[in-house]
Amino acid sequence: GAGVSQSPSNKVTEKGKDVELRCDPISGHTALYWYRQRLGQGLEFLIYFQGNSAPDKSGLPSDRFSAERTGESVSTLTIQRTQQEDSAVYLCASSLVQGGNQPQHFGDGTRLSIL
Amino acid sequence: QQQVKQSPQSLIVQKGGIPIINCAYENTAFDYFPWYQQFPGKGPALLIAIRPDVSEKKEGRFTISFNKSAKQFSLHIMDSQPGDSATYFCAASKGRKLIWGLGTSLAVNP
Repeated sequence: GAGVSQSPSNKVTEKGKDVELRCDPISGHTALYWYRQRLGQGLEFLIYFQGNSAPDKSGLPSDRFSAERTGESVSTLTIQRTQQEDSAVYLCASSLVQGGNQPQHFGDGTRLSIL
Repeated sequence: QQQVKQSPQSLIVQKGGIPIINCAYENTAFDYFPWYQQFPGKGPALLIAIRPDVSEKKEGRFTISFNKSAKQFSLHIMDSQPGDSATYFCAASKGRKLIWGLGTSLAVNP
């Protein structure tokens, strides 16, 4: 596809379960970002990847959160032992190269609801 | 600590009006200031961006005004339309990461 693709679009799960969210960036984009957006709030940076460099994990809120990316392809965000405060929309973005001053192209997000 | 402060939180205008959204930043090292537009159920999309070496940038009906000394920048939407109803985010960066404002929910009434 031409844009950033995220799956699933919606996920409902019980407290304590693990969830895995997937992001397919735009082909050729070396940088990939994960954000969390709580209802009516701004975007909270979680993690970013740039090529084969070590990822910047400075935004991950706890050790229950982890993410992986293989090369310049798909990324997965995993949340272990989910809590109700994890309920949010998780957005993925990619950009052609690393840097805040490069346009970030967003997917439509995964809406995660923890019961 | 909120490094980019955005106001107002919400805004209602009539069709044809000129909504203005303001942002203030603290870090003088920021060198890139984009605005993103987000419709319900969609991810944000880049609308327009400015660098601090210019005071104004226009793209169609959208204008950014930048005041470096005051550390403020604003988005103006000329001849606003109901289709402009969305949430608008300002952001700022120096290098790797964007620092985001909390967003402004804009409603343009017909």
